[in-house]
Amino acid sequence: EAGVAQSPRYKIIEKRQSVAFWCNPISGHATLYWYQQILGQGPKLLIQFQNNGVVDDSQLPKDRFSAERLKGVDSTLKIQPAKLEDSAVYLCASSGWDRVSDTQYFGPGTRLTVL
Amino acid sequence: QKEVEQDPGPLSVPEGAIVSLNCTYSNSAFQYFMWYRQYSRKGPELLMYTYSSGNKEDGRFTAQVDKSSKYISLFIRDSQPSDSATYLCAMSPLGQNFVFGPGTRLSVLP
Repeated sequence: EAGVAQSPRYKIIEKRQSVAFWCNPISGHATLYWYQQILGQGPKLLIQFQNNGVVDDSQLPKDRFSAERLKGVDSTLKIQPAKLEDSAVYLCASSGWDRVSDTQYFGPGTRLTVL
Repeated sequence: QKEVEQDPGPLSVPEGAIVSLNCTYSNSAFQYFMWYRQYSRKGPELLMYTYSSGNKEDGRFTAQVDKSSKYISLFIRDSQPSDSATYLCAMSPLGQNFVFGPGTRLSVLP
């Protein structure tokens, strides 16, 4: 079974630029999550999708971050414009239909550096 | 006070040692508890999953939950260099998303 795919693996941009990350979840997984992991901290949930609908985006900085999952499969997360404090690893995870107890499988992450 | 706290480490132990990793939390509504292992430049992977209080064992790993003390532990027996990683605890109330601790970095020295 293929895992969660993410690209790019690394990205370096200057502040005020835009950036986009892509995630392809495990086939058949209805739930998709985007997390932000700042160095030395645990992952923080940014947004959760169930199929192509948003379930939880309470911690997404909506003035600069946006995410979509148009066909209920892969997803993109965009930052526009980026700030220095956005430097982090952006993790995508997916799980099966039962989001409460089902295992979340994480991708390798995209490491973003904002200069 | 943060919702979930962990000893940040780093923790260094010799190969074969018993390792104890701990998390404390403040939200008494937490019912699901997980331990993830994260190797450098990789995503977290689930190690153990427990519901409510009690112990759960899986090979060299044992997870303990003490809800009365709001304290969970992960024990690793006969630690190996391949166990060197960051260990993250995560927990959630029923029907809500998980909150992760900041992680403890473990090094097992051969």
